[in-house]
Amino acid sequence: AQSVAQPEDQVNVAEGNPLTVKCTYSVSGNPYLFWYVQYPNRGLQFLLKYITGDNLVKGSYGFEAEFNKSQTSFHLKKPSALVSDSALYFCAVRPFSNDYKLSFGAGTTVTVRA
Amino acid sequence: NAGVTQTPKFQVLKTGQSMTLQCAQDMNHEYMSWYRQDPGMGLRLIHYSVGAGITDQGEVPNGYNVSRSTTEDFPLRLLSAAPSQTSVYFCASSYGTGGTRELFFGEGSRLTVL
Repeated sequence: AQSVAQPEDQVNVAEGNPLTVKCTYSVSGNPYLFWYVQYPNRGLQFLLKYITGDNLVKGSYGFEAEFNKSQTSFHLKKPSALVSDSALYFCAVRPFSNDYKLSFGAGTTVTVRA
Repeated sequence: NAGVTQTPKFQVLKTGQSMTLQCAQDMNHEYMSWYRQDPGMGLRLIHYSVGAGITDQGEVPNGYNVSRSTTEDFPLRLLSAAPSQTSVYFCASSYGTGGTRELFFGEGSRLTVL
């Protein structure tokens, strides 16, 4: 069975500093990997995904993520964080062999201070 | 374009009562799903559907029923509510049924069972 781990419950950074949100996964075979963001009292919004090809994936709002197969990781990054990036971030994985069951991590709360 | 619409946004039930959470999408998406979100546990898949007349179970289906009579609608029924079903429920949909597709989420329905 697939699983996702987000080792940090909370990440706190100052505005303008780099932001990293960590994610590791476990699947059989090749993974499809996703990042979603949830603002307070809202539904989740898609940020970016890795399907195949280039290990560095660029997404919405200046975010990017790097797929590392040897470390089974898919960390989310932003070079310069904004206060408006404060939200709950979820990593998710779906194995190539199963089209339908997307597994989410527990989420990481990001707080960017002015 | 309304996207994914969930009703009601808030609901309080007594133990043993039944109710239906409504979900409708206007994007002609084939795939629809229900998740529940609990603190520290991320999102867990309850049921999903890959088209009208086709449904299947996710990770945590017990106590819930679904049906898909049209492409647009995917209601979630709680048969006999229990306090353990207190949660925030999200409906999500995607184009086609391929594993590479990102999900579009509704705003959520917060359910409290007393």
